[in-house]
Amino acid sequence: QKEVEQNSGPLSVPEGAIASLNCTYSDRVSQSFFWYRQYSGKSPELIMSIYSNGDKEDGRFTAQLNKASQYVSLLIRDSQPSDSATYLCAVKTTSGTYKYIFGTGTRLKVLA
Amino acid sequence: DTEVTQTPKHLVMGMTNKKSLKCEQHMGHRAMYWYKQKAKKPPELMFVYSYEKLSINESVPSRFSPECPNSSLLNLHLHALQPEDSALYLCASSQEGVAGHHYEQYFGPGTRLTVT
Repeated sequence: QKEVEQNSGPLSVPEGAIASLNCTYSDRVSQSFFWYRQYSGKSPELIMSIYSNGDKEDGRFTAQLNKASQYVSLLIRDSQPSDSATYLCAVKTTSGTYKYIFGTGTRLKVLA
Repeated sequence: DTEVTQTPKHLVMGMTNKKSLKCEQHMGHRAMYWYKQKAKKPPELMFVYSYEKLSINESVPSRFSPECPNSSLLNLHLHALQPEDSALYLCASSQEGVAGHHYEQYFGPGTRLTVT
């Protein structure tokens, strides 16, 4: 079983819709969760971090964490064509190993 | 400021060349990372330095040699690379990993390496 799993997509949504990206993880001691956006040919850009169960909102982005079910999701409201990118979920324990475990990423396409 | 800088942006090298990639951060982060990323794949961890000491080596071939001269700088020395080593090389940094604390990791823009 992969440590961090994401649907590779592509996930296609029309402009203005809500895009929902999901990520599951296998290590129950995972404590820190991150979403990165990566445009083709560019480096990953941190867009959200979440550490506690529940929702965390930042502008059009909402991260949701459910530790009991071991999943984390990212909602993008009012999706724009500029949101088209690959979204990487990353998970980290606080055991001091410094390892951020990445999922394979979900490719999002926002259709104008 | 959450900036990590990397030079060069692009590098083309032959299999007999020796080159170095450079990374710098001024966020006071004490952990610095090298990742390799191939197209349509997630970043793959290569090395981690913590407080300027090598903390993790993910069984990387010896033709890749990391160096951390000080807390702000990270180098990756390249020698006798193979064409399959062509990839995007990413540097990242984060704060020190104290148990129970949460730390965000920030990436530099990367170096696109082509080995001919």
